[in-house]
Amino acid sequence: GESVGLHLPTLSVQEGDNSIINCAYSNSASDYFIWYKQESGKGPQFIIDIRSNMDKRQGQRVTVLLNKTVKHLSLQIAATQPGDSAVYFCAEIPVSGGYQKVTFGTGTKLQVIP
Amino acid sequence: EPEVTQTPSHQVTQMGQEVILRCVPISNHLYFYWYRQILGQKVEFLVSFYNNEISEKSEIFDDQFSVERPDGSNFTLKIRSTKLEDSAMYFCAIRDRAADTQYFGPGTRLTVL
Repeated sequence: GESVGLHLPTLSVQEGDNSIINCAYSNSASDYFIWYKQESGKGPQFIIDIRSNMDKRQGQRVTVLLNKTVKHLSLQIAATQPGDSAVYFCAEIPVSGGYQKVTFGTGTKLQVIP
Repeated sequence: EPEVTQTPSHQVTQMGQEVILRCVPISNHLYFYWYRQILGQKVEFLVSFYNNEISEKSEIFDDQFSVERPDGSNFTLKIRSTKLEDSAMYFCAIRDRAADTQYFGPGTRLTVL
């Protein structure tokens, strides 16, 4: 079946270092990808998105890379801060499919070591 | 980023009881969604709602679930007869026509005893 999954369930990073969180997706029909951040007890918070016609997009301290050839998505966080500690989900949406339900991956927990 | 509130933040109920979870988008939006997240698991799609009707639903969204937007503002999820396995965080999400991004509310923690 079609699925979105994450390679690393837990990632520990020293404060100030860069973080890279990876994600594999299998639905080639997906047009749109989002990274969400979820802190304990809160809802998913939008971080950055990318469309399938792009391979890179940058935001504030974050960069998303999309490799459609191998169906791989990554989130890079520069100068990781303690406030970045959370679970990060990649999510895919088949925009052309109608009402756009979000399919979430299993999540990667990012732990920032002070 | 659009603001979404959900009430209650935590609901405790007995098995077999009905619960209604509410979502209040601050601005007018066209597309509404409910998702749930069982503790320690990923977020799962339940249902999408557009133009006052269900547009898509998952296998989880069986006859015990229903959604409506009774007053044009609140968006509700009703579970008629709760089961132990309904215990989860329930998230409302909204989307504008002009954008594809879904924004999530803070969630309601449902505990079924």
